[in-house]
Amino acid sequence: AQTVTQSQPEMSVQEAETVTLSCTYDTSESDYYLFWYKQPPSRQMILVIRQEAYKQQNATENRFSVNFQKAAKSFSLKISDSQLGDAAMYFCAYRSADSNYQLIWGAGTKLIIKP
Amino acid sequence: EAGVAQSPRYKIIEKRQSVAFWCNPISGHATLYWYQQILGQGPKLLIQFQNNGVVDDSQLPKDRFSAERLKGVDSTLKIQPAKLEDSAVYLCASGGGDPYNSPLHFGNGTRLTVT
Repeated sequence: AQTVTQSQPEMSVQEAETVTLSCTYDTSESDYYLFWYKQPPSRQMILVIRQEAYKQQNATENRFSVNFQKAAKSFSLKISDSQLGDAAMYFCAYRSADSNYQLIWGAGTKLIIKP
Repeated sequence: EAGVAQSPRYKIIEKRQSVAFWCNPISGHATLYWYQQILGQGPKLLIQFQNNGVVDDSQLPKDRFSAERLKGVDSTLKIQPAKLEDSAVYLCASGGGDPYNSPLHFGNGTRLTVT
């Protein structure tokens, strides 16, 4: 069975600095999808960025980018120019390429932004 | 577009009482998920619907939890009787099918406290 591990329960960064959140996963599949979701205090999960395993190019969405290392089964999230609004829980998630569309979630990393 | 609506936002009950949560997904979304999120953990899938049929309820504690999705639109999740360990946030999410090309949309969740 697939698992997702986020080894950093909490991270803090100075406003305007860059921070990297770690995520590793375990799978025997070659085709899958990876996601980073953000959960602010409002509790609503918001998709930040997504990556297809068969694409070598790392995904980028404005200030958010990933470092996808397929062989190492690593999928880290880099947030550049951190803003106060980035403070939230960040969850890494895995989706198999099969047909049931279910996501497997990590335990989350709490990101604190220091003004 | 209107988001995923959930109610109530908060609920406090005593153990052995019953409780129900309601979810209205985004119009046209065929897939609906109920997740349980215990404090400090990632979401755990309870049940997945495709239209009004159950795709996966393998992690639903069926002795006390039940869910239905009548007419393939709104859904209710019920707990009867509640236990202390049911204290959690219950998240509803909907999607157009494939969470990669049609990412999940989440509601704000219901925070349940069982005393």
